Amino acid sequence: KQEVTQIPAALSVPEGENLVLNCSFTDSAIYNLQWFRQDPGKGLTSLLLIQSSQREQTSGRLNASLDKSSGRSTLYIAASQPGDSATYLCAVRQGGKLIFGQGTELSVKP
Amino acid sequence: DTEVTQTPKHLVMGMTNKKSLKCEQHMGHRAMYWYKQKAKKPPELMFVYSYEKLSINESVPSRFSPECPNSSLLNLHLHALQPEDSALYLCASSQDLLALTRGSYEQYFGPGTRLTVT
Repeated sequence: KQEVTQIPAALSVPEGENLVLNCSFTDSAIYNLQWFRQDPGKGLTSLLLIQSSQREQTSGRLNASLDKSSGRSTLYIAASQPGDSATYLCAVRQGGKLIFGQGTELSVKP
Repeated sequence: DTEVTQTPKHLVMGMTNKKSLKCEQHMGHRAMYWYKQKAKKPPELMFVYSYEKLSINESVPSRFSPECPNSSLLNLHLHALQPEDSALYLCASSQDLLALTRGSYEQYFGPGTRLTVT
């Protein structure tokens, strides 16, 4: 059974710092991995999707990497801003399902 | 347009009521999903529709009844709910469910319906 783990569960950083969020999964037979952002009480916003054959994807200040063989992905956020404060979720696609991690709650202090 | 819309935004219902949640997308996606999310937890998959047919039911109690009247619309009918069913209900869509094309799996989520059962 696929299990997805995100570390840390919560993170507080001062504005301007570069930071890394970690995601690990137990079964490497995935189609892709997707990173989402969720603001309190809101829906999920897709940030980046990495296909199983890819190693990384970039969008603006965000860079996500995938090492399928070791079951790991990282989300790198450059020059963090208070507006980046949210919960970040990673999810792996297996079959017709997305399997989510528990999320990392990020707080960026001005 | 990568928008998934959900109505209503908030819903309060008694345990004997019958209500429905509605989800709509106009991206031409053929897979649509219902998730339930409790506070501080990740979304849990409930149902998946592919080409208007139910493909996955994650052993959801029968008091939740999904319906996909057409490729753009997904409903969730609620009846005799319990207070523990109070949660954020999220709808999502993706281009397809199968590995037919690259990028066909990216799921787009709606803003959710906040449901409170009293």
